[in-house]
Amino acid sequence: SYVLTQPPSVSVAPGQTARITCGGNNIGSKSVHWYQQKPGQAPVLVVYDDSDRPSGIPERFSGSNSGNTATLTISRVEAGDEADYYCQVWDSSSDLFGGGTKLTVL
Amino acid sequence: EVQLVESGGGLVQPGRSLRLSCAASGFTFDDYAMHWVRQAPGKGLEWVSGISWNSGSIGYADSVKGRFTISRDNAKNSLYLQMNSLRAEDTALYYCANGLRPFRPADAFDIWGQGTMVTVSS
Repeated sequence: SYVLTQPPSVSVAPGQTARITCGGNNIGSKSVHWYQQKPGQAPVLVVYDDSDRPSGIPERFSGSNSGNTATLTISRVEAGDEADYYCQVWDSSSDLFGGGTKLTVL
Repeated sequence: EVQLVESGGGLVQPGRSLRLSCAASGFTFDDYAMHWVRQAPGKGLEWVSGISWNSGSIGYADSVKGRFTISRDNAKNSLYLQMNSLRAEDTALYYCANGLRPFRPADAFDIWGQGTMVTVSS
């Protein structure tokens, strides 16, 4: 079965750029979606179809997808961006989530 | 306002059954695929099951296949999850979520409810 691999944690200083990766076999051929989840809250969609943003999501959030790696990029990181981030794809009639990455803002 | 409200969770013994419900409002429910996603305490997200707008396409995670049944009642704007033969590892917060765009079987998940907690323990 298809597996999505995310780093458990990423740390970044305020104002810097955070990059969170999601690895999978030929993931570049799939549509990747990204979610942000803060403690005690439901997930929020921040990027869909690799690089599109839902309304209300700041332009600081962007995505890319090629080869075996999809990447969520958060520019000019703010304290409020500290959260868990999950990638998601659809494969063989099933939806799959990566294991999640905890973003820490130093 | 688009809203999803889950209910039906609780404490249940291993081997017993439970039925979750998700009430939708604020959007044209019967145009969108719907999903159940769970999150065990301190763990990540796990997709459980999804159903297309007309119930013509249904999918399950391997971990629940044969034990859980998803259904929807478009007249009542409601989604359901019948959970049988429950196990300790089914303990989790169960979210319902809708597809982002109408009439798409595979899509991002747009709106999420706040979840309903299921605890399987003797």
